Amino acid sequence: DTGVSQDPRHKITKRGQNVTFRCDPISEHNRLYWYRQTLGQGPEFLTYFQNEAQLEKSRLLSDRFSAERPKGSFSTLEIQRTEQGDSAMYLCASSYRPGQGDEDTQYFGPGTRLTVL
Amino acid sequence: GDSVTQMEGPVTLSEEAFLTINCTYTATGYPSLFWYVQYPGEGLQLLLKATKADDKGSNKGFEATYRKETTSFHLEKGSVQVSDSAVYFCAPLYGNNRLAFGKGNQVVVIP
Repeated sequence: DTGVSQDPRHKITKRGQNVTFRCDPISEHNRLYWYRQTLGQGPEFLTYFQNEAQLEKSRLLSDRFSAERPKGSFSTLEIQRTEQGDSAMYLCASSYRPGQGDEDTQYFGPGTRLTVL
Repeated sequence: GDSVTQMEGPVTLSEEAFLTINCTYTATGYPSLFWYVQYPGEGLQLLLKATKADDKGSNKGFEATYRKETTSFHLEKGSVQVSDSAVYFCAPLYGNNRLAFGKGNQVVVIP
């Protein structure tokens, strides 16, 4: 199995621009998560998909943030009108391949580091 | 609400020393408990887990026991190596599959 992949690995943008990140989960994992990690802190939960349904959204996910998983495979996270406070590492994780056990373990991708100037 | 607390501050110790990192959590139920590790320049990796009371998770010489009575999941290793230098995160799994991470502990092992 290949692991969780994320693209791009780094993104530098100017304040006010829109950015979109992509996450490809481990094959056949039907749960996908987004987290955000700022320097010196642990990751914070943003949102969670089961297949294509977005089942949970943190209050951290403001109106400027939107996530999709249109076919239940890859996911995108878009940030509109970026602010300097959005600078962080955005992490994607996936879990739960039915029948394989280890259902609750989340496997993380390498992250996308966003810098907003 | 549900939360997790890791001991404050970085941990610096000599090679072959004993390592303990404390982790306590709050929960209304019995969440699965995880330790993740982040090596320099790398992504988060699962280190070990425990899913019910008194379970012991272990991997790479690290151990942690699910203590329901004290709501703790302390990480231990008997003899650390330089290669164990990393940031360690404790994370209970709460409702809707949400991992709640502690602030992490930077561990620096000196040769």
